[in-house]
Amino acid sequence: DAGITQSPRHKVTETGTPVTLRCHQTENHRYMYWYRQDPGHGLRLIHYSYGVKDTDKGEVSDGYSVSRSKTEDFLLTLESATSSQTSVYFCAISARAGEDEQYFGPGTRLTVT
Amino acid sequence: GDSVTQMEGPVTLSEEAFLTINCTYTATGYPSLFWYVQYPGEGLQLLLKATKADDKGSNKGFEATYRKETTSFHLEKGSVQVSDSAVYFCALTSSGAGSYQLTFGKGTKLSVIP
Repeated sequence: DAGITQSPRHKVTETGTPVTLRCHQTENHRYMYWYRQDPGHGLRLIHYSYGVKDTDKGEVSDGYSVSRSKTEDFLLTLESATSSQTSVYFCAISARAGEDEQYFGPGTRLTVT
Repeated sequence: GDSVTQMEGPVTLSEEAFLTINCTYTATGYPSLFWYVQYPGEGLQLLLKATKADDKGSNKGFEATYRKETTSFHLEKGSVQVSDSAVYFCALTSSGAGSYQLTFGKGTKLSVIP
């Protein structure tokens, strides 16, 4: 199994509070991604990174920011959580873009009350 | 933009039945195609992939053939087992510079009963 961990695995927070989710990899892969999974929508890309300090927006980036200060860590921040951000969040990594396989972490279940 | 359409579930089959999950796509260029599987409470795992037209991906008894003429990548298995119960996602990534993201279908939940 690819070495990807996510923390926390579960979190309940209140509307308006900031939340940071962490993804950590031990594979030294260049690319890292954050997705959210919602019923009826499959997985949708929030943000991705193609190197340290290099990030870009995905399909559903509004209300989210990311940072990557080290190859192994990719942080997702909800500056002011809303109920619409209740979801399961998955981190993924890949060695290259395009046809290369992405390896997924175990997910973080976030509930915003 | 790119999109993936897969058959809606849930799909319920008896053990040893034949499985087909349809997947069609819209994409510019020449995408690579993937099937991912998600078991309950887990992240996604790559099941198989194909990177060019007429390629057949296969793994664990599952197969899918990249059909450019019909823009399809249907997943098949000849005899399903209870352990195949999971959610299956068809996905694509486009070729060319800047093709960083996977585009997923909405997923098809498969339940196999003994």
